[in-house]
Amino acid sequence: AQSVTQLGSHVSVSEGALVLLRCNYSSSVPPYLFWYVQYPNQGLQLLLKYTSAATLVKGINGFEAEFKKSETSFHLTKPSAHMSDAAEYFCAVTDSGGSNYKLTFGKGTLLTVNP
Amino acid sequence: EPEVTQTPSHQVTQMGQEVILRCVPISNHLYFYWYRQILGQKVEFLVSFYNNEISEKSEIFDDQFSVERPDGSNFTLKIRSTKLEDSAMYFCASEGTGWTGELFFGEGSRLTVL
Repeated sequence: AQSVTQLGSHVSVSEGALVLLRCNYSSSVPPYLFWYVQYPNQGLQLLLKYTSAATLVKGINGFEAEFKKSETSFHLTKPSAHMSDAAEYFCAVTDSGGSNYKLTFGKGTLLTVNP
Repeated sequence: EPEVTQTPSHQVTQMGQEVILRCVPISNHLYFYWYRQILGQKVEFLVSFYNNEISEKSEIFDDQFSVERPDGSNFTLKIRSTKLEDSAMYFCASEGTGWTGELFFGEGSRLTVL
């Protein structure tokens, strides 16, 4: 069974500061990992994904994440926060084989960006 | 840009009533999903649908739930007899012609069961 833990339900940063959203996963098989973002009153949108290629993955809007197998982590970072980054961010995992039709999501981290 | 649309955006119903949530996936997509999020909790997988049949369903998706793609464009989730604990935001998602993990989500339908 897979699971995802997002540390911190709410993260607040100043505009221009580093964004770090934490995600740890548990999976019995090599995972595929994802970050989705949900802006207010919108559906979830894929930010980036790891599917066993490069461990450092770059996504949209300047975000990136690094897959660290030894730490079972897939933290999301952005060097400099922008006001438009304020949203809820979800980490998700699925199996690399077998049951890959479903994503298992974390509880989400709400990012607020202060001027 | 193509998008997934869901109706209604909010529905209030009495316990025991039937509810149908509707979704129009992106037109050339082949994989369809329903997820739900109870307030303050995780987004949970309900069901996936491919080639006119259920591919996988979670333990939440019991006999009270059903999905249908009645006309090649709509994808519906029916809850036969709603319970209080069915109150949640329900998200429809679709995926393209091959599995990528990139799901395109609708804005969600909020269901409130009284």
